[in-house]
Amino acid sequence: NAGVTQTPKFQVLKTGQSMTLQCAQDMNHEYMSWYRQDPGMGLRLIHYSVGAGITDQGEVPNGYNVSRSTTEDFPLRLLSAAPSQTSVYFCASRRLARSSYNEQFFGPGTRLTVL
Amino acid sequence: GQQLNQSPQSMFIQEGEDVSMNCTSSSIFNTWLWYKQDPGEGPVLLIALYKAGELTSNGRLTAQFGITRKDSFLNISASIPSDVGIYFCAGQLGTGTASKLTFGTGTRLQVTL
Repeated sequence: NAGVTQTPKFQVLKTGQSMTLQCAQDMNHEYMSWYRQDPGMGLRLIHYSVGAGITDQGEVPNGYNVSRSTTEDFPLRLLSAAPSQTSVYFCASRRLARSSYNEQFFGPGTRLTVL
Repeated sequence: GQQLNQSPQSMFIQEGEDVSMNCTSSSIFNTWLWYKQDPGEGPVLLIALYKAGELTSNGRLTAQFGITRKDSFLNISASIPSDVGIYFCAGQLGTGTASKLTFGTGTRLQVTL
């Protein structure tokens, strides 16, 4: 079980470039999500998905797109990178249940710098 | 969007000391969670709390779900160097597809020998 994997681990972009951050999980989790982590801001939700073909916006979705064609993969796309998108990005996944909490597993993160 | 207030923002303590940190919200939550993030890694769940007033331990860690459901506390006893990292609280409201997690701003813990 690899858990949640993310690639790349580090990336430097120039303003205006596009790129895709990859995320995959092998735990058959229905729910997947992307967060960004900035100093003093904690983790903020960008987009999430409750299953293949279903995505929704989180707290800070502007400038990012997502798709969920399979249960395993949930890529995050930056269409035109801006310096404000310099951050550490975490992908996470968990089961969905009708009651209580199902542990959310995080990937190791992608550190992105936009010049 | 809503964020949880964690305090303190950072702590410098000596090995062997006890640590206390807390998390407060203006809204109630059904579940409180505490995560630890090691440098260069993603957060890992430490403790989950499901009922108001609940006190749960995990080794040297003890966490409590506040009676008002608007706060939670984490204590670490006899700190060791590997306790270094960022500790996040998170509150959950709703269940299933409607459940959402809100994260705190984090407490950075540094331990000196």
